[in-house]
Amino acid sequence: SYVLTQPPSVSVAPGKTATITCGGTNIERESVHWYQQRPGQAPVVVVYDDFARPSGIPERFSGSNSGNTATLTISRVEAGDEADYYCQVWDRSGGQWVFGGGTKLTVL
Amino acid sequence: QVTLKESGPTVVRPTQTLTLTCTFSGFSLATTGMAVGWIRQPPGKALEWLALISWDDSKRYSPSMKRRLTISKDTSKNQVVFTLTNVDPVDTGTYYCVRRQDAEDNFFGPWGQGTLVTVSS
Repeated sequence: SYVLTQPPSVSVAPGKTATITCGGTNIERESVHWYQQRPGQAPVVVVYDDFARPSGIPERFSGSNSGNTATLTISRVEAGDEADYYCQVWDRSGGQWVFGGGTKLTVL
Repeated sequence: QVTLKESGPTVVRPTQTLTLTCTFSGFSLATTGMAVGWIRQPPGKALEWLALISWDDSKRYSPSMKRRLTISKDTSKNQVVFTLTNVDPVDTGTYYCVRRQDAEDNFFGPWGQGTLVTVSS
């Protein structure tokens, strides 16, 4: 099955930019989706189809996808952005939806 | 407003069958393209997709767990039922019910609040 690799943790100071990566073989060929899961809450999609944002998600959240790496970028990080972030794709060869291992974003 | 809510037992004994119900509102599984799925998360671990049922009654299961999973729908009641047979302590976790809005989409939203299921004797 398709494997998505994320760094376990990323730390960033308030007001700075956080970058969370999601690695996968030729991931640029896939549509990548990103979820935010705050402590004790259900996940919420923050970016879908590589770079699209659902209504209500701040413009500070952006996505990109190239080569073997998809990236979630959070600009002007706030304390409320502290959460676990998961990338996800549809694995067409395996016929299943696949999630990355998750990245814990810590706001210093 | 679209909402989903999971219900079912909080504790299940090993080897038993876990049955969870997702009751939703704000959309219909009779709508072309609509689908409802289940995703779980062991404590402190990552998300794992399990199953999905679509408006046309087509079903998809996680290949690694396919033999133990069943998903069904009752469109008139706005409910989806999920079963996992022969449970083991490793099946402990929070189980989420999710919507996939369109057949062209491959992401999920919104999610239910989740229900914590503990497998223990």
